[in-house]
Amino acid sequence: KAGVTQTPRYLIKTRGQQVTLSCSPISGHRSVSWYQQTPGQGLQFLFEYFSETQRNKGNFPGRFSGRQFSNSRSEMNVSTLELGDSALYLCASSLISGTQVDTQYFGPGTRLTVL
Amino acid sequence: GQQLNQSPQSMFIQEGEDVSMNCTSSSIFNTWLWYKQEPGEGPVLLIALYKAGELTSNGRLTAQFGITRKDSFLNISASIPSDVGIYFCAGPPENRDDKIIFGKGTRLHILP
Repeated sequence: KAGVTQTPRYLIKTRGQQVTLSCSPISGHRSVSWYQQTPGQGLQFLFEYFSETQRNKGNFPGRFSGRQFSNSRSEMNVSTLELGDSALYLCASSLISGTQVDTQYFGPGTRLTVL
Repeated sequence: GQQLNQSPQSMFIQEGEDVSMNCTSSSIFNTWLWYKQEPGEGPVLLIALYKAGELTSNGRLTAQFGITRKDSFLNISASIPSDVGIYFCAGPPENRDDKIIFGKGTRLHILP
């Protein structure tokens, strides 16, 4: 069974631009969660989508948004990029939503660098 | 806000040594998770703990769910070079079981 895939793996943008990252969950998984990982803050939860609906949201500004398609693939978008948005963005998929955190499988991440 | 405090932040050990790391919080957790992350990869779940006092092993790895439900420990016995990586504890706090919080990780280095 193929794992979680994320594209692109690496991305370089400049301040003020916007970016869209993509995540394809494991086949059959309907929940996709997004995390931001930085050396200073560690792994922080952005949001979770299940059945095309945002179920949970972390403490990030409105510049961070996402969506999920009917095939469970998910995208996250960051608008008006800031230097501090440079991070590894991780996607994790699981069969069902919410509390089944032990069944989350992570992708390799997208490394975003904002210049 | 809720935090998970991991210690130590980094460790340098000799191959073959045992490793011990822990995770503490001011909040109660119902589930404790331990992940390992290698360079260029996402975290991989190593062990999940569901009950206070529970002790669970996965090969050379053993983790324990603290009795107070506010801490957890991970031990690695007879370390080998492929144990290098960052180890994270994580879990959903009792009052927010819809979210998962991660510690900042313990970076393990193994000297030849």
